[in-house]
Amino acid sequence: QVQLQESGPGLAKPSETLSLTCTVSGGSLSGYYWSWIRQPPGKGLEWIAYIYYSGSTNYNPSLKSRVTISVDTSKNQFSLRLSSVTAADTAVYYCAGCRAVAGTPFDYWGQGTLVTVSS
Amino acid sequence: DIQMTQSPSSLSASVGDRVTITCRASQTISSYLNWYQHKPGEAPKLLIYAASSLQGGVPSRFSGSGSGTDFTLTISSLQLEDFASYYCQQSYSTPWTFGQGTKVEIK
Repeated sequence: QVQLQESGPGLAKPSETLSLTCTVSGGSLSGYYWSWIRQPPGKGLEWIAYIYYSGSTNYNPSLKSRVTISVDTSKNQFSLRLSSVTAADTAVYYCAGCRAVAGTPFDYWGQGTLVTVSS
Repeated sequence: DIQMTQSPSSLSASVGDRVTITCRASQTISSYLNWYQHKPGEAPKLLIYAASSLQGGVPSRFSGSGSGTDFTLTISSLQLEDFASYYCQQSYSTPWTFGQGTKVEIK
C-alpha cells in the first residue's frame, strides 16, 4: 500500500522560502505524477504543481514564478520550494499522486502539514 | 483555468437522509470529474472518479453522475461516518482545479 508523508518546517517567515518534502513508501515513483496541493484556512483546495519521476514538471500559472518542484528517485521523495512567502501562503500542504495517464484522479494523498507564515 | 462551482457550500442532514451535491464546470470537461471526501486532520479520500466510477472500497451508497459541465454526487442513505466535507475536482486540463467544497453536518 503506497503511503505519502509530508515533512518540513511548520513555520516560515515572510519573504523567505518554504521547503517541504514528501516521502513515498510502499511503491515506486514511476508511473505517477506527484503533486503538491494546499488548503488555506477556511478555503478550498489549490493544486500547486506536479512532477514526473523523470523530472518533467507542470506548474499552476498562479504560483509558477515562485514554485520549484523537484524529485529524488534515490530517496523516493519529491520536494516543494515556494519563495517569497506571505501570510497568504499559510495553508495545510498536501502531497498527492495520480497515475500518469490523462484525466486520472489523485488516488494517493498524504495527511498534510500545516505551514504558517509569520514573523 | 476551469472554474468548478459546488453547491451547496454546506448542508445539514440526518442519518438515513439522501444527500445530493452538485458541481458545475465553467467549460466542458467530458467525464473528467472526481469526488473526494475530506475529514479534519485526515488525508482526502477519493470516492468517485471519471464522474461515475466508484473507487475500490467505497460504499455503494455513494454514486456520481453527469458529463460535460454538470455533475452530481449522491449519498443514498447518510451514515454517521459520512459527515465530512466533499470536493469535486476536474482532471480534464491543468491547472487541475477543485470546487470550494460542501460541508455535510449533522442536523
